[in-house]
Amino acid sequence: GQQLNQSPQSMFIQEGEDVSMNCTSSSIFNTWLWYKQDPGEGPVLLIALYKAGELTSNGRLTAQFGITRKDSFLNISASIPSDVGIYFCAGQLYYGGSQGNLIFGKGTKLSVKP
Amino acid sequence: DGGITQSPKYLFRKEGQNVTLSCEQNLNHDAMYWYRQDPGQGLRLIYYSQIVNDFQKGDIAEGYSVSREKKESFPLTVTSAQKNPTAFYLCASTLEGRWTSEAFFGQGTRLTVV
Repeated sequence: GQQLNQSPQSMFIQEGEDVSMNCTSSSIFNTWLWYKQDPGEGPVLLIALYKAGELTSNGRLTAQFGITRKDSFLNISASIPSDVGIYFCAGQLYYGGSQGNLIFGKGTKLSVKP
Repeated sequence: DGGITQSPKYLFRKEGQNVTLSCEQNLNHDAMYWYRQDPGQGLRLIYYSQIVNDFQKGDIAEGYSVSREKKESFPLTVTSAQKNPTAFYLCASTLEGRWTSEAFFGQGTRLTVV
């Protein structure tokens, strides 16, 4: 099936640092979504993107829908300890009046630098 | 408050037994989904249902079964045919038929085979 390549797989953050992660696909998507998952919980939607080139912010988070419609990135500015968790990208193709299934990346795990 | 409720949070099963995971939503969403999450694997689609009394196999449906007798309920049965059922299971729903496509997730059920 379709796959999303999400990178990096994991990263360590120090409070105050900016963080960046991205997803790429071999397929074109109409929608990109970014989720955060805390341990033992379900993913929570952070940002939804619906238009190529769209740049959307949610507090310290900023995400962009790539012009080619095959990629997206998420930036976190001035990270804080509660930013730790797993971040997932998800892409969806909308066609013929119906929504395609969400395709998920494998996640980027954010941890605090020891 | 509207949302998706999964139960139980933790479930233990003996080998050879079937077990059913519950998922209920009061968001009036048409479509519901079951995902399986393993460490480092991201979310993989098991089954989905776009309307009542209809459902489709996802990428890893073998060893699972579902029903959709009511709009708000989408239970998942993990059968004894599932070779490696220990995982974190997530239920989600979306409002079908609209451009917006955000998936809302439940809190998850962690199934352990003992």
